[in-house]
Amino acid sequence: SQQGEEDPQALSIQEGENATMNCSYKTSINNLQWYRQNSGRGLVHLILIRSNEREKHSGRLRVTLDTSKKSSSLLITASRAADTASYFCAMDEPLSGTYKYIFGTGTRLKVLA
Amino acid sequence: DAGITQSPRYKITETGRQVTLMCHQTWSHSYMFWYRQDLGHGLRLIYYSAAADITDKGEVPDGYVVSRSKTENFPLTLESATRSQTSVYFCASSEVHEQFFGPGTRLTVL
Repeated sequence: SQQGEEDPQALSIQEGENATMNCSYKTSINNLQWYRQNSGRGLVHLILIRSNEREKHSGRLRVTLDTSKKSSSLLITASRAADTASYFCAMDEPLSGTYKYIFGTGTRLKVLA
Repeated sequence: DAGITQSPRYKITETGRQVTLMCHQTWSHSYMFWYRQDLGHGLRLIYYSAAADITDKGEVPDGYVVSRSKTENFPLTLESATRSQTSVYFCASSEVHEQFFGPGTRLTVL
């Protein structure tokens, strides 16, 4: 069954620096999403990348996907204190025939002002 | 109010009691999900539903029961609460890929 793991578990950077988070998964996917969670809140969708895409951008976010390595990365450029949050990847299970996703363990990002 | 709501937001109960967590969405999304979030485990899927009267198990379904008689509601019941079910529970809904999450219910089982 699908499993997701993120690396690093926690990351602390200075404002203005770039933050990179990595996600590895076990089984083949059609789609992978990234979500953000502010402390004590529900998750918010950031971006979706399909298995036939290698890179996708949204504002200061850049997501890459390497299906041969079963991994994805999320890059946040020019980070701000407001980017402090936990970030999760989520992978679908194509064989399920549903829109069910399995979430990774998350990366806690702290951006210091 | 439009969106997805959960109630209660906080709940303290005792071992062995039955507890029901409520989830309501106003978008008429087909899919609804229940997750639990524990430190070190991320979000784990408990149950999900693809439509009214269609539910299926997720990664950690033991000890939980769900029903979905109406599209907009997806209650989660802990039939006999255990301390290991102390967690933060999130409900989410989606029509296709993007999931919309509720604010969560913090449940403590003493």
